[in-house]
Amino acid sequence: AQTVTQSQPEMSVQEAETVTLSCTYDTSESDYYLFWYKQPPSRQMILVIRQEAYKQQNATENRFSVNFQKAAKSFSLKISDSQLGDAAMYFCAYRSRSRDDKIIFGKGTRLHILP
Amino acid sequence: EPEVTQTPSHQVTQMGQEVILRCVPISNHLYFYWYRQILGQKVEFLVSFYNNEISEKSEIFDDQFSVERPDGSNFTLKIRSTKLEDSAMYFCASSPDRETEAFFGQGTRLTVV
Repeated sequence: AQTVTQSQPEMSVQEAETVTLSCTYDTSESDYYLFWYKQPPSRQMILVIRQEAYKQQNATENRFSVNFQKAAKSFSLKISDSQLGDAAMYFCAYRSRSRDDKIIFGKGTRLHILP
Repeated sequence: EPEVTQTPSHQVTQMGQEVILRCVPISNHLYFYWYRQILGQKVEFLVSFYNNEISEKSEIFDDQFSVERPDGSNFTLKIRSTKLEDSAMYFCASSPDRETEAFFGQGTRLTVV
């Protein structure tokens, strides 16, 4: 069964600095998707960025980028120029492309932005 | 921008009662999901629904739970005989296909007292 692990329950970063959130996953499949979702205090889950496993190029979305290391099964999220609005719970997630439909989430990392 | 909407935003119910959580997925989406998040914990998959039937369910989704798409637009989660441990945030999500991320609603906070 696939699993997603986020080893950092909480992190803090100074406003305007860069922070990297870690995620590792376990799967026997070669084709899948990886996501980072943000959950602010409003509790709604918002997609931050997605990565297709068959693409070697790391996804980027404005200040958010990922470091996808397929062989190492690692998928970290880098937030540049951190802003107060980035404070939230961040979930790493996995979805198989060929098998079941569900998205599997990690336990999350709570990110604090220090003014 | 289209969004998944859930009602109610907060539901309080007495232990043993039945509750129905409602969701309106994005209109052209084909895959529907329910997830649960006990306060401060991970987001847990409950069930996925495709082509008017359950495509997958987790161990959590036992006989106490059921889902329905009664009218082609709404997608409901029914919890029978609620227990204290059913208290959680319940998220509905939908996606247009299996190659796209799921779009989540704002959640329904269920409190069982």
